[in-house]
Amino acid sequence: DAGVIQSPRHEVTEMGQEVTLRCKPISGHDYLFWYRQTMMRGLELLIYFNNNVPIDDSGMPEDRFSAKMPNASFSTLKIQPSEPRDSAVYFCASSFSQIRQYFGPGTRLTVL
Amino acid sequence: KNEVEQSPQNLTAQEGEFITINCSYSVGISALHWLQQHPGGGIVSLFMLSSGKKKHGRLIATINIQEKHSSLHITASHPRDSAVYICAVSRTGNQFYFGTGTSLTVIP
Repeated sequence: DAGVIQSPRHEVTEMGQEVTLRCKPISGHDYLFWYRQTMMRGLELLIYFNNNVPIDDSGMPEDRFSAKMPNASFSTLKIQPSEPRDSAVYFCASSFSQIRQYFGPGTRLTVL
Repeated sequence: KNEVEQSPQNLTAQEGEFITINCSYSVGISALHWLQQHPGGGIVSLFMLSSGKKKHGRLIATINIQEKHSSLHITASHPRDSAVYICAVSRTGNQFYFGTGTSLTVIP
């Protein structure tokens, strides 16, 4: 398996633009997690899905953030409108029955 | 106050040394996780444990539930072990709390 795939790897955008981050989990995994990492706050769990259903989105910072998982092989994290404070590395991870999480390479987002 | 505290924040060791990184937490947990983040940014999950001890190669993770404490040990450290090690705890309902990480540098 290719592991967790994220795209794009780097994204630079201007404040106010919509940003969509994509994740393809490992085939057969039933959990998918979105994390954000910044120097100031470290790693934070934003939202996670179980069998494509959002279970806990209490970590989503505000209404500008939304996440979807239309099927078992694809998830998106959208920020609209983006702000400079959203600049961070966004990681997607997947696991089977929460046994061990496999992380994607991350998307480095810069909002100017 | 952070729910998860790690120590030390930074650690420099000579190759071959035995290394210990500590993690204390203040909440009830369902599991504790040790993550490794390489200088390039990639994150690898090393261990997930809820009791006792786990070993993988030169890495050993222990947890004491009563004391709310876990340790990650690296035996015969090597420069390729240089990374940031992050402790995280998960609770029922999958709340996650992360430590701020321990930056380890192993010098040849």
